[in-house]
Amino acid sequence: EDQVTQSPEALRLQEGESSSLNCSYTVSGLRGLFWYRQDPGKGPEFLFTLYSAGEEKEKERLKATLTKKESFLHITAPKPEDSATYLCAVQARLTGGGNKLTFGTGTQLKVEL
Amino acid sequence: DAGVIQSPRHEVTEMGQEVTLRCKPISGHDYLFWYRQTMMRGLELLIYFNNNVPIDDSGMPEDRFSAKMPNASFSTLKIQPSEPRDSAVYFCASSFWGLGNQPQHFGDGTRLSIL
Repeated sequence: EDQVTQSPEALRLQEGESSSLNCSYTVSGLRGLFWYRQDPGKGPEFLFTLYSAGEEKEKERLKATLTKKESFLHITAPKPEDSATYLCAVQARLTGGGNKLTFGTGTQLKVEL
Repeated sequence: DAGVIQSPRHEVTEMGQEVTLRCKPISGHDYLFWYRQTMMRGLELLIYFNNNVPIDDSGMPEDRFSAKMPNASFSTLKIQPSEPRDSAVYFCASSFWGLGNQPQHFGDGTRLSIL
């Protein structure tokens, strides 16, 4: 069974204080690892897809990296508007295709002035 | 472009009543997913469709839950009879297959409260 564990559950940062969120996974053949951002009262919003170990993707203050067992979401010099819950999900290689995701429970990030 | 549209946004009803949640996926997307989100369990996949056909319903908790997709632009998730433990936020998402790693796009959910 595919499993995704995210840590920490909650993180409070001062504006400009860089940090990283962790996503550990076990999956029977990784097809893709996805990062989403979720704001209160909204659905998850897609950020990145990573496909293979060593891959990195960047968007503004966010950079996602991938190893064979985990992914990190690095937040550089965060701003209050980066406050949200960040979700990690994995997609397994399935015989016959398929597009099923298994999500972690997320890291709730709060960035304060 | 219009995203995934869900209705209603909020639903409050009494235990035992039938609840119907609705979803309009993004035009051109051939996959549709129903999720449930709670504080304790996070986002759980209930069922997903490909080209209007249910592919995997192993996440549907009980026979009280049913989902249909009569055409490419509409899906429903029905709970009958509803129970207080069904209270959660229900999300619909859609994607297209493309190269096989296309992200799922989510609606803003239906917050369901069963009294």
